[in-house]
Amino acid sequence: GENVEQHPSTLSVQEGDSAVIKCTYSDSASNYFPWYKQELGKRPQLIIDIRSNVGEKKDQRIAVTLNKTAKHFSLHITETQPEDSAVYFCAASIRGGANNLFFGTGTRLTVIP
Amino acid sequence: DTEVTQTPKHLVMGMTNKKSLKCEQHMGHRAMYWYKQKAKKPPELMFVYSYEKLSINESVPSRFSPECPNSSLLNLHLHALQPEDSALYLCASSQDARLDSNQPQHFGDGTRLSIL
Repeated sequence: GENVEQHPSTLSVQEGDSAVIKCTYSDSASNYFPWYKQELGKRPQLIIDIRSNVGEKKDQRIAVTLNKTAKHFSLHITETQPEDSAVYFCAASIRGGANNLFFGTGTRLTVIP
Repeated sequence: DTEVTQTPKHLVMGMTNKKSLKCEQHMGHRAMYWYKQKAKKPPELMFVYSYEKLSINESVPSRFSPECPNSSLLNLHLHALQPEDSALYLCASSQDARLDSNQPQHFGDGTRLSIL
């Protein structure tokens, strides 16, 4: 099955700086890569996703890059704000049926005001 | 806005009790999911329903019994749970469960379950 590794497990940045979280996956058949933000006591919230037919996607301060050859993808948050503080999970999904998401272990991001 | 509604928000039960968790969505999604999430861990998939039929069961113990009465509702029946089953139980749904279709999964707020 798919194995998704995520680094770092914790990340602290100064407000206004950029944050980068990296994930690698093992199954070359994976073709869908969402990122979720989970604040304490709340639901995982989809913030951005990318499919394997593109290499980069951007939505305001958030961007995701995908390198299919190396089997890794990254989340980039620019101009970080305190409200970006949360746990971020990457995930990978293999084509087929209801998409079975394999999650990374999570990154706790703290933005220091 | 997407919305998946779960009830109850909190549940405390003894090991001999029977209870049910409920999930509802009115977005016309045809795939629905149950996940279990322990503290500081990622969600772990338990069950997937595709077009109201159970399509994935991730080797979940029989003390957890899912049910999908219709395309909008998903239940998780609980019986004889163990203390280690205490966790946040998340429901999710996605638009289209057909082969070769990867649609975003949207999560509910979860039910925080405590087993005494």
